[in-house]
Order: sequence, then C-alpha cells, then structure tokens
Amino acid sequence: ETGVTQTPRHLVMGMTNKKSLKCEQHLGHNAMYWYKQSAKKPLELMFVYNFKEQTENNSVPSRFSPECPNSSHLFLHLHTLQPEDSALYLCASSPHSKGQGEKLFFGSGTQLSVL
Amino acid sequence: RKEVEQDPGPFNVPEGATVAFNCTYSNSASQSFFWYRQDCRKEPKLLMSVYSSGNEDGRFTAQLNRASQYISLLIRDSKLSDSATYLCVVNTRQTGANNLFFGTGTRLTVIP
Repeated sequence: ETGVTQTPRHLVMGMTNKKSLKCEQHLGHNAMYWYKQSAKKPLELMFVYNFKEQTENNSVPSRFSPECPNSSHLFLHLHTLQPEDSALYLCASSPHSKGQGEKLFFGSGTQLSVL
Repeated sequence: RKEVEQDPGPFNVPEGATVAFNCTYSNSASQSFFWYRQDCRKEPKLLMSVYSSGNEDGRFTAQLNRASQYISLLIRDSKLSDSATYLCVVNTRQTGANNLFFGTGTRLTVIP
C-alpha cells in the first residue's frame, strides 16, 4: 500500500474536455510534485509545491493548471489538451523540497490518453 | 547534452547472474544520487541512495565515481523479481528537489 494515492488510474479525454487529476499523501510531507512520464523519455518535473506554495513551474503550458489546497492534497486541472499530452502523470511527495538528497515517494500514476 | 544518461538495455540475464548498470551525469557539481526501481505500469520506488564511499544493501551495491561522473548499480545472484526498469537519479544542487534529474532507465529482464 502506498502513502501517496492518485485518482483516477486511467483517463481518456477528448481535446475539448476538462478533467482533474487528484493526489493525496498520507505521509505528513510538506512538498508535493507533479511529474510527466512519456514513453522512452525521462521523468519531467512539472510543478513543485512546498508548504502549499508553488515553488517551481517548469515552463508547463497553461492547459495544465495545478492546485494545492493544503499540504496533503494536490490537483492537476486539465483543459484543451493535445494528443501529445498523453502520458503517465505521477504525483510525488517528500518531507520538504529544501535540503540535500530529497527522496521522493510516488503515487501509482494516472495513465492519460488524449484523443 | 542530457543531464543523466543510461543505457536503455534491455539487459536479459539468467537467474543467479551478476549484472551491472552504469549511469553518467553531466553536472560535476551534482550532490546526491539515487537508484529507483520501476516495475511495468507502476510508479518508481526508491531502491537505494548512493554514497561517496559506496554502499551495499543485500545483493545490491551502488558506487559513485565523481572523477568520471558516473554511478553504478551491481546486482548479484539475480532473481526473477529483479526484472524491472532501474532509474538513475541525480540531484544537481545541494538544496532542493527541484533539480532532481532522472535517466530514461535501464530495463532488466531476469530469465529462468
């Protein structure tokens, strides 16, 4: 059983749809992250939240909109996505994003397909 | 140049074999290093950190070579359950996880 839960596990959406991915961590961590994993590519960091404040936005298109209402919950709102956005979206948490050698705990991911 | 490079494999080895993976990193100021394991259609999970002096955890040994800027993972007495993709991860700054760079992973299949 993982301390980071993500829903839904799978999502198929059209380019005009609006959907949201949800992540919840039960580890008491203060930092949460969204990563994108595409086939044959390394994990790409999208957003970082530290104590509910966004501290990193890695030039992610505005069709991806994160929300962090508290340290335990993280959302990724999706709208007008493109087929190339199809990927595995992973949420992760760590005790905090400052400090050396942060170890990440990942959720099981949402496999997103954009038609 | 990529921050972290790994041989994607696949490495197909028989049960009981010893297998080693290398990973190179481009930023000489990199501070911390990790190996993660990712099973098919699952999330990455931390396998082990890599310390300057090298470290061992059961059948797994990790080494760091700062001069040549590579880290390695050695698996002895391979088990079927070791089949997975192994991700090399490098933190390029002393503070912050914002600069964790992942390799594309090396796929290992252990054959009965």
